[in-house]
Amino acid sequence: EIVLTQSPDFQSVTPKEKVTITCRASQSIGSSLHWYQQKPDQSPKLLIKYASQSFSGVPSRFSGSGSGTDFTLTINSLEAEDAATYYCHQSSSLPHTFGQGTKLEIK
Amino acid sequence: QITLKESGPTLVKPTQTLTLTCTFSGFSLSTSGVGVGWIRQPPGKALEWLALIYWNDDKRYSPSLKSRLTITKDTSKNQVVLTMTNMDPVDTATYYCAHSPYPPSAFDIWGQGTMVTVSS
Repeated sequence: EIVLTQSPDFQSVTPKEKVTITCRASQSIGSSLHWYQQKPDQSPKLLIKYASQSFSGVPSRFSGSGSGTDFTLTINSLEAEDAATYYCHQSSSLPHTFGQGTKLEIK
Repeated sequence: QITLKESGPTLVKPTQTLTLTCTFSGFSLSTSGVGVGWIRQPPGKALEWLALIYWNDDKRYSPSLKSRLTITKDTSKNQVVLTMTNMDPVDTATYYCAHSPYPPSAFDIWGQGTMVTVSS
């Protein structure tokens, strides 16, 4: 099973700040890495698929990069509405797995 | 517009079997390249992938839960059903179904989730 490790687990940030969340896979997964945003009491929403492809309707301040084992989700010019927990997910091999999540708090 | 909605019991007793139904619209599970998956999330914890079924009836399960899970589809009703046997309090979670294209990809549209509590 491929383990995905996100860092940090928690981050407190101010609006307009640039945020970077990383996801490291325990073995190479090519670009089969996806990012989700989950706000309290809501279901997850897809932000980025295949490491860097923005999903329809996602604000342009969200971007993704990486391949192999190291991946990054970047949020440029953070907004208050971006307070949420962010998860990475790999679909390279079964079982699919998710990272442990990164909680973003807006100061 | 793709939508999915989960339904099932909110409370089950230990050792009972859980049956959850995902009713969807906006796509057909008889169309090539379409899949539906189940993911769960215990309160305050991370997401856990459970199972996937594709248009061609290809089924994939989490190895750690495979002996307890069954996923099926009813194309005529636009439904996917997940059964989980021998429920335990640690299975208490919100259960989500989600649309996923093939080849194995992201879960691009999720249902609202249904909370299941396992308690006697």
